[in-house]
Amino acid sequence: EAGVVQSPRYKIIEKKQPVAFWCNPISGHNTLYWYLQNLGQGPELLIRYENEEAVDDSQLPKDRFSAERLKGVDSTLKIQPAELGDSAVYLCASSSQEDRGRGTDTQYFGPGTRLTVL
Amino acid sequence: AQKITQTQPGMFVQEKEAVTLDCTYDTSDQSYGLFWYKQPSSGEMIFLIYQGSYDEQNATEGRYSLNFQKARKSANLVISASQLGDSAMYFCAMREGMDSNYQLIWGAGTKLIIKP
Repeated sequence: EAGVVQSPRYKIIEKKQPVAFWCNPISGHNTLYWYLQNLGQGPELLIRYENEEAVDDSQLPKDRFSAERLKGVDSTLKIQPAELGDSAVYLCASSSQEDRGRGTDTQYFGPGTRLTVL
Repeated sequence: AQKITQTQPGMFVQEKEAVTLDCTYDTSDQSYGLFWYKQPSSGEMIFLIYQGSYDEQNATEGRYSLNFQKARKSANLVISASQLGDSAMYFCAMREGMDSNYQLIWGAGTKLIIKP
């Protein structure tokens, strides 16, 4: 079974430029998460989707960040314009609602996109 | 107050020795889940093991086991017979409750280095 796929793996941009990250979750997983991870810290949730609906975006800085999951499968996270402080790893994860019903939900992560803003 | 506490920022362990990584948690929920993830230098967050709050047995997955002490609110990860490939960051995380607004709460991580 294929895992969570993310692209690109690395991205270097100059400040004020836009950037987009793409995520394809595990097949059949209807819950998708975007996290931000700063060096030496645990991940911080940015947004969670149930199918195509964003059910928790309270931590997403909406002035510059946006996300979409139009068909309830792939998702894109965008930053416009990027700032120096946005340099971090952006992780995508997915999980199954069926597992949550059993109380055994596990989030499976992609390899992440390491963003460097110069 | 910290909900997930990992008190060991870093650990050095000799290859083939057993390792215990500490994790304590704080919740008033009766239903919760505890997770351990491994993050090597490549960056991918790899799921290792899960323990539900109602599970009576400690979870085990191969060389990984979770020492779950509910009364003490601890969920330590034990790695038996450590290998060089075990060198990585290890994160403990907790999912509180069962409703649709749950999310994972993460600890700060422990950096484990296995010495040959």
